[in-house]
Amino acid sequence: DAGVIQSPRHEVTEMGQEVTLRCKPISGHDYLFWYRQTMMRGLELLIYFNNNVPIDDSGMPEDRFSAKMPNASFSTLKIQPSEPRDSAVYFCASSIQTGNYGYTFGSGTRLTVV
Amino acid sequence: QKEVEQDPGPLSVPEGAIVSLNCTYSNSAFQYFMWYRQYSRKGPELLMYTYSSGNKEDGRFTAQVDKSSKYISLFIRDSQPSDSATYLCAMSASGDYKLSFGAGTTVTVRA
Repeated sequence: DAGVIQSPRHEVTEMGQEVTLRCKPISGHDYLFWYRQTMMRGLELLIYFNNNVPIDDSGMPEDRFSAKMPNASFSTLKIQPSEPRDSAVYFCASSIQTGNYGYTFGSGTRLTVV
Repeated sequence: QKEVEQDPGPLSVPEGAIVSLNCTYSNSAFQYFMWYRQYSRKGPELLMYTYSSGNKEDGRFTAQVDKSSKYISLFIRDSQPSDSATYLCAMSASGDYKLSFGAGTTVTVRA
């Protein structure tokens, strides 16, 4: 299994531009999570999906952030327009339905907004 | 006050020492407790998993949960330079797939 795959690994963009982060979860995993990690705030849950349906988006910081999961093997996190304070590492993670045995994280996308 | 508290360190120990890490939490509904290891510029990886109270051992790693004190620990015996990483505790309530993470403790094992 290739694990959770995220792209791109690094993204540098100018303030005001649209940014799209992509994630392919592990096949057969029912849950998909988007996290943001910064030195100041640690790991923050932004949104999670169950069977492609958004369950809790209370962690999405502003309307500039949106996430979709059109099918079981693909999800996107979009920031439009981007701001310097959005600079962080964004992680996607997935897990199975039965019980809570923890997540498998991707390698993350390091976003820098200048 | 954060739901999960973890001392960010950093912690520096000589090779072969025992590393002791801990977290406290406030939500008595937490039933699932995990430790993740995160190497620099990598995603967190699940290291240990414990359900409810008790101890769990896996090689050089031991996880302990004391629900009465709302306190969990991770011990690393015979620490190696390859154990140098950030260790994050995480926990969740039954039926809730959201994990609450600690801030992470950065550990350096000196050769």
